[in-house]
Amino acid sequence: QIQLVQSGPELKKPGESLKISCKASGYTFTDYAMQWVKQAPGKGLQYMGWINTQTGKPTYADDFKERFVFSLETSASTAYLQINNLKNEDTATYFCARGLDLGTWGQGASVTVSS
Amino acid sequence: DVVMTQTPPSLSVAIGQSVSISCKSSQSLVYSDGKTYLHWLLQSPGRSPKRLIYQVSNLGSGVPDRFSGTGSQKDFTLKISRVEAEDLGVYYCAQTTHFPLTFGSGTKLEIK
Repeated sequence: QIQLVQSGPELKKPGESLKISCKASGYTFTDYAMQWVKQAPGKGLQYMGWINTQTGKPTYADDFKERFVFSLETSASTAYLQINNLKNEDTATYFCARGLDLGTWGQGASVTVSS
Repeated sequence: DVVMTQTPPSLSVAIGQSVSISCKSSQSLVYSDGKTYLHWLLQSPGRSPKRLIYQVSNLGSGVPDRFSGTGSQKDFTLKISRVEAEDLGVYYCAQTTHFPLTFGSGTKLEIK
């Protein structure tokens, strides 16, 4: 079955970096774009941007143009979200989602930033 | 950015009742290919979002036909017939016609 499996929870200090993975299975990875969505604790869904899985080109929403990097390891059917220079407000759950129709979502990766 | 206005913010319903959730967009969601990329998601407590309906009215795989979506242009509705206990959670509309993708603020469905 089609699945997106994300990496586990992270506890980081301000200023550190992290990289979240999203491994796809059950379909051809390059057939669908990968979206990234942030959900702060108790809040709604905030769109971060997407990566073209055929070309590797990332496109970021305005709030995520600095410190955030989308990348791919196509041979492993895996997308990555890297966050640099972590801030307290990056504390959230981060989801990957498949395609323009948001058909499949990862289980979410919890990130806590605290000194 | 396209603003998605979702109402009501919360609902409390008894098992077996029917409910409707409204989602209005600040711009038409019809894309240049003629399709309308308006979708409905359910986030059950402690879970990731799950897509229920895509492109206004198409039922996602495995989604019960108690769920239905209607609408066009800027005005959309999700209807749940015969609510069941497993339907509780937060419902979001989402548009993927325009970049950036945007979501409604959510409707929390509680079971009486």
